[in-house]
Amino acid sequence: DTGVSQDPRHKITKRGQNVTFRCDPISEHNRLYWYRQTLGQGPEFLTYFQNEAQLEKSRLLSDRFSAERPKGSFSTLEIQRTEQGDSAMYLCASSGSLGVGGNEQFFGPGTRLTVL
Amino acid sequence: AQSVTQLDSHVSVSEGTPVLLRCNYSSSYSPSLFWYVQHPNKGLQLLLKYTSAATLVKGINGFEAEFKKSETSFHLTKPSAHMSDAAEYFCVVSEPQAGTALIFGKGTTLSVSS
Repeated sequence: DTGVSQDPRHKITKRGQNVTFRCDPISEHNRLYWYRQTLGQGPEFLTYFQNEAQLEKSRLLSDRFSAERPKGSFSTLEIQRTEQGDSAMYLCASSGSLGVGGNEQFFGPGTRLTVL
Repeated sequence: AQSVTQLDSHVSVSEGTPVLLRCNYSSSYSPSLFWYVQHPNKGLQLLLKYTSAATLVKGINGFEAEFKKSETSFHLTKPSAHMSDAAEYFCVVSEPQAGTALIFGKGTTLSVSS
């Protein structure tokens, strides 16, 4: 499968614990995005990488959230001291160079986080 | 700033009848517009996209959408619904000049009855 993959698919944690999610984009894509989707809502943008550089961060990305893409390939999203409000589906997407395909982004299956 | 309004949270149709999912957008620039579909427990899939070429855009599975700048609309249609079309549909706007984030609407749930 050459699509976007995410791991784990599901994560249940207790409030206050740290969690880390991984995203592997389509191999030739240099742009990588993280979104969060809560129940009954559309996905909301969190952050964006071009290669290894984090170029955009939403105000939704609080200080407890950190994302990395150390070698410009896979990315990790870490949430520290989780809260019940962090429960959501975390989606990763990737795309090629801007202007090609009109910023068409390809999405992974998501990681569903439940904070107890 | 760009935004998207999906005018119906839920649409119900019978199999074989037309589908209309309505979307209005707000944009300061020349936007790119998309429709994505999300089936239960599956990832988001691109149905179609508008990027300033032809205003009538054809997508996968018989869906199409028409970009109407004067009405700031990008409604999704299909002549004949199939049971497998039942899913959540998202209208999405992007302004490459303003950033790279996709801005999603809240979604429309399409139900198809036999």
